[in-house]
Amino acid sequence: QKEVEQNSGPLSVPEGAIASLNCTYSDRGSQSFFWYRQYSGKSPELIMSIYSNGDKEDGRFTAQLNKASQYVSLLIRDSQPSDSATYLCAVMTDYKLSFGAGTTVTVRA
Amino acid sequence: KAGVTQTPRYLIKTRGQQVTLSCSPISGHRSVSWYQQTPGQGLQFLFEYFSETQRNKGNFPGRFSGRQFSNSRSEMNVSTLELGDSALYLCASSLNLLGSEKLFFGSGTQLSVL
Repeated sequence: QKEVEQNSGPLSVPEGAIASLNCTYSDRGSQSFFWYRQYSGKSPELIMSIYSNGDKEDGRFTAQLNKASQYVSLLIRDSQPSDSATYLCAVMTDYKLSFGAGTTVTVRA
Repeated sequence: KAGVTQTPRYLIKTRGQQVTLSCSPISGHRSVSWYQQTPGQGLQFLFEYFSETQRNKGNFPGRFSGRQFSNSRSEMNVSTLELGDSALYLCASSLNLLGSEKLFFGSGTQLSVL
């Protein structure tokens, strides 16, 4: 079983729609959860972090965490063409950040 | 404040050679992590250093090694290069990599093994 699994992509959404990304993790001891965005040819860039159960909103982004279900999600509201990128779910355990394979999102104008 | 700096940006080597990659963290950051990124395997954790001590290591063969200096700069070394080592190697730094801290990534070193 992979440490971090993301829903397979690619995901194509129309401009202005909501993009929904999901992630599950295997280690119940994990404490910190992150979403990174990676544009083609660039390094990952942190867009959201979440540490406790519930929702966390930052602008058009909302992260949700459910530790009992070992599930993390990211919602992108009012999707823009500039949101087209690969989104990586990452989970921190014992000084190690484990990444999912990523979900590629394309926002259609 | 300068970001994470990785050198060189690109590297071409042949099988059997060895290579050393360098990473200078953000000023004040004492934790440095290394990752390998390939299209097939995604981002995989190599190792993490804090105050010159390796605190965690990923599932890579012993050909992959690293170290950290007293100024927090870090190097990673790959010996006896194989074709499969071709990848983007990313370095990331943080203050102490405690649970809630964020990692900041460098631009990476693109290694091609011929």
